[in-house]
Amino acid sequence: DGGITQSPKYLFRKEGQNVTLSCEQNLNHDAMYWYRQDPGQGLRLIYYSQIVNDFQKGDIAEGYSVSREKKESFPLTVTSAQKNPTAFYLCASSLRTDTQYFGPGTRLTVL
Amino acid sequence: GQQVMQIPQYQHVQEGEDFTTYCNSSTTLSNIQWYKQRPGGHPVFLIQLVKSGEVKKQKRLTFQFGEAKKNSSLHITATQTTDVGTYFCAVSRGSQGNLIFGKGTKLSVKP
Repeated sequence: DGGITQSPKYLFRKEGQNVTLSCEQNLNHDAMYWYRQDPGQGLRLIYYSQIVNDFQKGDIAEGYSVSREKKESFPLTVTSAQKNPTAFYLCASSLRTDTQYFGPGTRLTVL
Repeated sequence: GQQVMQIPQYQHVQEGEDFTTYCNSSTTLSNIQWYKQRPGGHPVFLIQLVKSGEVKKQKRLTFQFGEAKKNSSLHITATQTTDVGTYFCAVSRGSQGNLIFGKGTKLSVKP
């Protein structure tokens, strides 16, 4: 069963803690992306990776970090430097620059 | 940087009424994609338009790409409660291989 998985669906953390969001795909896609979605807002690009061991900052990379050690995995770390981390985080993948397929998302709440 | 404006932000309709959302860009687009996000869900790809003046249909949904490739529309005929959600347009960000999303149009349908 192919697709993108994100875990967990809901995540709660205390202010000042780093937290890592998981994103795994078995679609054999080259490119992977992380977006942040706030209520009433569109999708804002945090980081993207077009190939293993390489990634680029998106529009709102400050306070976030990523790694791409494997083609299937693109974890996102929300660091304590991110001032407003509470949001819905969406991971996506695509075959080069084609259609993006999204995971179910992780809703992060920082208390 | 490149932006895409999407209007309206919200649309409330009675079931059976038509609905249209518009995306506009100040620059010529290579293509435009449309996604739908159900409440509590993740964006799902609907269609991609590439050619000037292109019109594509999916059952009650009609997608158009402007002659100048600077605007696009999504029209739903005779809305149903299953059409509820937020509709996003997305455009390619040059050669970087990622997308810029509009802020979306949130559709609610009253039965």
